[in-house]
Amino acid sequence: AQSVTQLGSHVSVSEGALVLLRCNYSSSVPPYLFWYVQYPNQGLQLLLKYTTGATLVKGINGFEAEFKKSETSFHLTKPSAHMSDAAEYFCAVSATPGGSYIPTFGRGTSLIVHP
Amino acid sequence: NAGVTQTPKFRVLKTGQSMTLLCAQDMNHEYMYWYRQDPGMGLRLIHYSVGEGTTAKGEVPDGYNVSRLKKQNFLLGLESAAPSQTSVYFCASSYSFLVDRSTDTQYFGPGTRLTVL
Repeated sequence: AQSVTQLGSHVSVSEGALVLLRCNYSSSVPPYLFWYVQYPNQGLQLLLKYTTGATLVKGINGFEAEFKKSETSFHLTKPSAHMSDAAEYFCAVSATPGGSYIPTFGRGTSLIVHP
Repeated sequence: NAGVTQTPKFRVLKTGQSMTLLCAQDMNHEYMYWYRQDPGMGLRLIHYSVGEGTTAKGEVPDGYNVSRLKKQNFLLGLESAAPSQTSVYFCASSYSFLVDRSTDTQYFGPGTRLTVL
């Protein structure tokens, strides 16, 4: 079975501060991992994904995430937060051959950016 | 290229009424999905389809039915709406993960906000 845990339903940062959104996963096979972003009243869009190869993945809008197998983690970071980064962020894992590799989503983390 | 579209965008139903949500994609994707999003619960998979004419249950299928008669359309039906089905519904599509996992990316529609009174 596969599952995702996002630590913290809300994360609050000041503009210009480091953004760190945490994601831990469980899987029985090598996982594919994703971060999606959802702006208010919109659908989700892919921020970045890890499939194979380099464990540090760079995405859009200056975000990046590092796959750490030993820690079963895929935390999302950005060096300097912008007001426009305020959104809901979802981590997802795809790792179940019997389930047609359908991704499972975490519960989401709301990023709040203060001026 | 419109991507994934959903109809309608908003709907209010009374308990016991029925309705159908339509999802359409123009990317020739094999897989299509219906999710519901509720505060603090993230996205939960209702039903999905891995190809035309096929459907499968997801995590929370009770009270919903789906059909995939055409590759580009995926319909979600509520036969007898209940207040517990008040939610935002998202449709998504993707290429087949079984064919090539490196293409794993889901494309989401803008959502349908449903209120059941």
